[in-house]
Amino acid sequence: SQTIHQWPATLVQPVGSPLSLECTVEGTSNPNLYWYRQAAGRGLQLLFYSVGIGQISSEVPQNLSASRPQDRQFILSSKKLLLSDSGFYLCAWIPGASGYTFGSGTRLTVV
Amino acid sequence: RKEVEQDPGPFNVPEGATVAFNCTYSNSASQSFFWYRQDCRKEPKLLMSVYSSGNEDGRFTAQLNRASQYISLLIRDSKLSDSATYLCVVSGRGSTLGRLYFGRGTQLTVWP
Repeated sequence: SQTIHQWPATLVQPVGSPLSLECTVEGTSNPNLYWYRQAAGRGLQLLFYSVGIGQISSEVPQNLSASRPQDRQFILSSKKLLLSDSGFYLCAWIPGASGYTFGSGTRLTVV
Repeated sequence: RKEVEQDPGPFNVPEGATVAFNCTYSNSASQSFFWYRQDCRKEPKLLMSVYSSGNEDGRFTAQLNRASQYISLLIRDSKLSDSATYLCVVSGRGSTLGRLYFGRGTQLTVWP
């Protein structure tokens, strides 16, 4: 079956610390993958998307980066977190013609 | 102008009520339209796709008006379990494959 996994579920990190969030997809190959962020009281913002290994497109300039080291793995990183990086981070892919399927998300609080 | 704009809400309705959400989008070239549901502190999940002819799924009816760039969602006979935030979602333009734009969502609370 096709599933998407995302971890960790919750993270509290101090300002200036690094970040690594991982997303993996099972049951498919060469999926388009997406990282979104949902800040408190705001809509979903597309951060990065990838159509294949090593191919990353950034939607907004910011303190974050993404990598796709394997076909079904998508990683979101930061070298130094800012308070404004707090939010709900969601990985997504498109299993068919009916829009995105999201991972369960990581709730990041930068303190 | 935002790509997708929704009723801000919140909507507070009693069980059994009928409630309607509206949404407008700015890109006339958009081809795909969806309603997602997001429970508190959870990921969004697809509620239904929206087709040009309108479509119904049980108590939920979605309508699309391309000329007005307007999408609606009607919920009949509201249940307590319908309480959630409803996101209007529209496909984007350009070369971003699969790019979707999300409205900020409309919060619905159904009370007993």
